[in-house]
Amino acid sequence: SYELTQPPAVSVSPGQTATITCSGDKLGDKFVSWYQQKPGQSPVLVIHQDRKRPSGIPERFSGSNSGSTATLTISGTQAMDEADYYCQAWDSRVVFGGGTRLTVL
Amino acid sequence: EVQLVESGGGVVRPGGSLRLSCAASGFIFDDHGMSWVRQSPGRGLEWVSSIAWSGGSPTYADSVKGRVTISRDNGKNSLYLQMDGLRTEDTALYYCVRDDKVCSGGSCQHFDHWGQGTQVIVSS
Repeated sequence: SYELTQPPAVSVSPGQTATITCSGDKLGDKFVSWYQQKPGQSPVLVIHQDRKRPSGIPERFSGSNSGSTATLTISGTQAMDEADYYCQAWDSRVVFGGGTRLTVL
Repeated sequence: EVQLVESGGGVVRPGGSLRLSCAASGFIFDDHGMSWVRQSPGRGLEWVSSIAWSGGSPTYADSVKGRVTISRDNGKNSLYLQMDGLRTEDTALYYCVRDDKVCSGGSCQHFDHWGQGTQVIVSS
């Protein structure tokens, strides 16, 4: 079965750029979405179809996908961005990555 | 405002059954495919099942196939998940999620709205 691999944790200083990766076999040939989940809350879609931002998502969130790696980039990271982030793709079934905890310190 | 409200969770013994429900409002229900996603305590997200806007083409994760049935009633704006033969590993928070109709189903399937979830605990 298809697998998506994310680093368990990423840390960033406020105002800096956070980069969260998601790896999978030929992932660049698939569409990738990203979800943000804060403690005690339901996930929120922040990027879909590799790089599209839903309405209401700040411009500091961006995405890319090429080769075997998709990347979520948060520019000018704020304390409110501290959360778990999950990538998701489709390979005959929906697949989620294991999640990355972003710490802003 | 889109709202997805789950119900039907609870504590059940291994081998038991539960029927989860999701009441949808704030959008045209039969414009969207719908899905269930679960999250075990302290763990990540796991897709469970999806169903097309028409009620056709149900799909299931291998971990639940044969034990779970997804259905919907477009007249009642409701989504369901019948869970039989429950196992301890099915313990999780179950989210009702809306497929973004930009590409509902298929290679760009993703979820643009999530409910608050209903807790399922399978324990003897």
